[in-house]
Amino acid sequence: DAGVIQSPRHEVTEMGQEVTLRCKPISGHDYLFWYRQTMMRGLELLIYFNNNVPIDDSGMPEDRFSAKMPNASFSTLKIQPSEPRDSAVYFCASSFRTGERPQHFGDGTRLSIL
Amino acid sequence: SQQGEEDPQALSIQEGENATMNCSYKTSINNLQWYRQNSGRGLVHLILIRSNEREKHSGRLRVTLDTSKKSSSLLITASRAADTASYFCAPMDTGRRALTFGSGTRLQVQP
Repeated sequence: DAGVIQSPRHEVTEMGQEVTLRCKPISGHDYLFWYRQTMMRGLELLIYFNNNVPIDDSGMPEDRFSAKMPNASFSTLKIQPSEPRDSAVYFCASSFRTGERPQHFGDGTRLSIL
Repeated sequence: SQQGEEDPQALSIQEGENATMNCSYKTSINNLQWYRQNSGRGLVHLILIRSNEREKHSGRLRVTLDTSKKSSSLLITASRAADTASYFCAPMDTGRRALTFGSGTRLQVQP
């Protein structure tokens, strides 16, 4: 079975531009998570969805960040406008019955904002 | 939010030796999970131990949990160069339905 698929794998863009990261979770999983990983802050949970509904977005750093899950097989994380401090690796993960099952991670999007 | 803190931050051993990593957390948990991250890749789930379990094995992995001390340990026996990675613990607290991760232990296994 295919794992969690993220695109693009790498993104380099200039400050102020809109950035859209994409994620396809594992089929049948009903939870989807977005994380950000940096050297300084480690792995931070940004937001998670259950059955396409956002449950906890307390980790979203600012209003510049938004996430959507229009259907069970697709989610986006958008940053508008982007800033250099947003540079990080962004991971998407999915699971079945979170808390009682492991999370499956994609290989991340390495984002660099110049 | 619940967060596991791993210790040590970095560990370097020779192939064939055992590697032990520790994790401490703060409040009541439902379970605790360990993950591995190879360079440039996403996290991979290794093992889950429930709050009513004290020890669990999976291949060369052994995990212990002491809820009275709010600590867990991950033992990798007979390490291999391929075990070189960062290892994270992720406590799942009883209220929240999401994992939080510590900074991880960076394990280097020298061939």
